[in-house]
Amino acid sequence: AQKVTQAQTEISVVEKEDVTLDCVYETRDTTYYLFWYKQPPSGELVFLIRRNSFDEQNEISGRYSWNFQKSTSSFNFTITASQVVDSAVYFCALSEGGRSQGNLIFGKGTKLSVKP
Amino acid sequence: DSGVTQTPKHLITATGQRVTLRCSPRSGDLSVYWYQQSLDQGLQFLIQYYNGEERAKGNILERFSAQQFPDLHSELNLSSLELGDSALYFCASSVRGGSDSGEAFFGQGTRLTVV
Repeated sequence: AQKVTQAQTEISVVEKEDVTLDCVYETRDTTYYLFWYKQPPSGELVFLIRRNSFDEQNEISGRYSWNFQKSTSSFNFTITASQVVDSAVYFCALSEGGRSQGNLIFGKGTKLSVKP
Repeated sequence: DSGVTQTPKHLITATGQRVTLRCSPRSGDLSVYWYQQSLDQGLQFLIQYYNGEERAKGNILERFSAQQFPDLHSELNLSSLELGDSALYFCASSVRGGSDSGEAFFGQGTRLTVV
């Protein structure tokens, strides 16, 4: 069965600290997509990244980086030098092969609080 | 701004009533998705429409229904409302409908409160 687990319910850091949000997924498909979305206090869901199952290259975008490891079924997200504006709930999500990339299985989310 | 527009932003209604949530997808997007976000269930996929036709169904109750119109906007109808239907309802859209659909972009949500 497909499943996304974000074991960290809440994380609190001080500004400028690095923080890693963990995501572990389960799927029987060999073709799938993984995503991270951000939900700031205002409530909207903001797309951050998409990774397909055939591309295990890590990705860096500014202060954000993602580590995809099929061997451990993990897709972790690191924020370097965190800022107060990074405070939000972060969701990892999975869409399986054959399904649309908007048909997502979400994890429960990790609430990140960055304190000044 | 994702380009996906949802109205209304907030809705308060009584148990037993019926409400309609509206979604306008990003320009050019053919697929629309509806999600429910509640404290106990988290984010759950309800239903997908592609170019006017139902494409996929998730955990959508029989009391709920949706449709997508020729101009590609979509409506989610919730009837016989119960207290437990109080949640944030999101609409999302993507370019296409299949596995090559492209990522989904979400609207700001409609906060439904059933009293």
